[in-house]
Amino acid sequence: AQKVTQAQTEISVVEKEDVTLDCVYETRDTTYYLFWYKQPPSGELVFLIRRNSFDEQNEISGRYSWNFQKSTSSFNFTITASQVVDSAVYFCALNGYSTLTFGKGTMLLVSP
Amino acid sequence: EAQVTQNPRYLITVTGKKLTVTCSQNMNHEYMSWYRQDPGLGLRQIYYSMNVEVTDKGDVPEGYKVSRKEKRNFPLILESPSPNQTSLYFCASIRGSEAFFGQGTRLTVV
Repeated sequence: AQKVTQAQTEISVVEKEDVTLDCVYETRDTTYYLFWYKQPPSGELVFLIRRNSFDEQNEISGRYSWNFQKSTSSFNFTITASQVVDSAVYFCALNGYSTLTFGKGTMLLVSP
Repeated sequence: EAQVTQNPRYLITVTGKKLTVTCSQNMNHEYMSWYRQDPGLGLRQIYYSMNVEVTDKGDVPEGYKVSRKEKRNFPLILESPSPNQTSLYFCASIRGSEAFFGQGTRLTVV
């Protein structure tokens, strides 16, 4: 069975601070995909990034960056210079051969 | 445009009144799934379908039914809704690195 753990239930930061959201996963599949989604207060799931298990290259997209480390089964997400609009719930997810499994989410609150 | 269409977006119903939440995808994906989201619990899988006429239980299937008569549609059926099924529901259409979600259905059972 696969599992995704987001140990941080809630994080509060002040605008312009950097913040890292942790994601640790477990799977026996050799090929799998990792995702991050953002869920704003309106409720929809907004796709942020996906990574396959063979691509450990880190990625940067504007203020967002992702650190995939297969050795520690982690796929962490960093927001640089956070903004109030980043306030949302963020989900990490894993898709192996069987099913798409989500972590419980991290609520990020960015205050002005 | 790749799309998962889920309806309705919002629904308030009474205990015991059968309801169906529809889900349709236009990507010819074989794998579809239903999730419910509750505070502090993340998204939990209700049912999934690997292909037409192939469905299986996820982690929280009690009180729900699904059907997959054609590849594009995967409706979620609540035969006798109860207040503990008040939740936010998502339909997903998935193939490998692609995972698309419907807009979500906020269901309230009173």
